[in-house]
Amino acid sequence: DIQMTQSPASLSVSVGETVTITCRASENIYSNLAWYQQKQGKSPQLLVYAATNLADGVPSRFSGSGSGTQYSLKINSLQSEDFGSYYCQHFWGTPFTFGSGTKLEIK
Amino acid sequence: EVKLLESGGGLVQPGGSLNLSCAASGFDFSRYWMSWARQAPGKGQEWIGEINPGSSTINYTPSLKDKFIISRDNAKNTLYLQMSKVRSEDTALYYCARLNRYDVGYYAMDYWGQGTSVTVSS
Repeated sequence: DIQMTQSPASLSVSVGETVTITCRASENIYSNLAWYQQKQGKSPQLLVYAATNLADGVPSRFSGSGSGTQYSLKINSLQSEDFGSYYCQHFWGTPFTFGSGTKLEIK
Repeated sequence: EVKLLESGGGLVQPGGSLNLSCAASGFDFSRYWMSWARQAPGKGQEWIGEINPGSSTINYTPSLKDKFIISRDNAKNTLYLQMSKVRSEDTALYYCARLNRYDVGYYAMDYWGQGTSVTVSS
C-alpha cells in the first residue's frame, strides 16, 4: 500500500500570510493526488485534483503542485475562511490512502 | 444539485452489525463509482472502499475487507455499507462520496455527504 506523509501536522498563521502544506508518497503516484479542506463539524470539500487542477469554485489563491512522490498545496494571502484542516489523498491504486492531515489555526 | 445523505448510524455493541445507507440525488448515480470513508473522533480521514457502477468491482482498504461490505442499488440511487464484527476502533463518522473521473483518468472524491455517526460501545 502507498503511504502518504503529510506535513506539518499543524500550523498557526495570520490572515494574509502564505502557507504551504506538503505530502510525500511512498512511491511515485504520477500526479494522482487530491487535496481537501475540512472545516470543523463539516464534511471535506475537494480543492484540487490531479495534483494541480482546482476544483470548481475554488478560489485562485489555492494552488497545487508537484510530481512523482512530492506534492504541495499553497494558499496565498490566507483568508479567515481558510482555517480548518487539510488532507491529501492519492488515487494511484487502492487503497486510496489519505495523508494524516494539517490543521491550520489562526495565530 | 448533487446531494448525498447518509443514514443508519447509531450505537452498536462490540461484535455487532450495522447497515449504513447513502441516498444520492442530483446526478446519474448509475454512472459513477462511489466510495465510503470514515473519520474517528479527533482523527484524520480513512478510506474504506469503492464500488463501480455495475457492482462488478469493489475494492476495500485491506484491514476492513473482512468486516465491511459495500453494495449499491442503482434503481434506488442508494449506496450501502454493511458493517460486521465491529469494535471500538470502528467508532467514527462515516461518509459516502462520489468518485469522479476527470480527464486523462484522474480521480477525486468530489462530493461528500454530511456523514452518519457510528458508536461502538457496550
